[in-house]
Amino acid sequence: SQQGEEDPQALSIQEGENATMNCSYKTSINNLQWYRQNSGRGLVHLILIRSNEREKHSGRLRVTLDTSKKSSSLLITASRAADTASYFCATDARNYGQNFVFGPGTRLSVLP
Amino acid sequence: KAGVTQTPRYLIKTRGQQVTLSCSPISGHRSVSWYQQTPGQGLQFLFEYFSETQRNKGNFPGRFSGRQFSNSRSEMNVSTLELGDSALYLCASSSQAGTGTYEQYFGPGTRLTVT
Repeated sequence: SQQGEEDPQALSIQEGENATMNCSYKTSINNLQWYRQNSGRGLVHLILIRSNEREKHSGRLRVTLDTSKKSSSLLITASRAADTASYFCATDARNYGQNFVFGPGTRLSVLP
Repeated sequence: KAGVTQTPRYLIKTRGQQVTLSCSPISGHRSVSWYQQTPGQGLQFLFEYFSETQRNKGNFPGRFSGRQFSNSRSEMNVSTLELGDSALYLCASSSQAGTGTYEQYFGPGTRLTVT
């Protein structure tokens, strides 16, 4: 079964609002990474959080990691129409015999 | 630095044919990974190469193969194409491989359509 699962599958918000996406995983991990993909194009790396970190910020992005619950969340504050994309979490569990495993993604639509 | 490049960007093939996709990593990166993305299965790991050696392989049939050259460029080959092989094939490069914490940088992908 898939390592990462994002929730919700789709999210629609107004510009200026915050967007929160969640990711759950099953095994121990080395780190967890979030990526953005615009309409069938390549993935853009957003942020990486190590297994010993609990929170990380990058501009309007805030990522949390709870290894006891095997979950992570991505918060995008003050969203913009340009944030419209699919967001994927990827678990790096290569220290534990796994590869990079991507979740199914959350499709975010930011309406102007 | 130039990003990861993939060629061709779009490809249409017929069932039973074979196809070769190419990926040039970021200069200085020695690790190249390949992923298949489909609406039904999402992003799935195919294989990872580092210094011309396959380091990891995903759960795909033997029709999917790859290689890496001494300049770190990588190719993947799919033989005896099936309709289900229609997908976006993404290549990612990184400076390292194996265990450790590092980012992957993705190319724009090759859109393969099998008819």
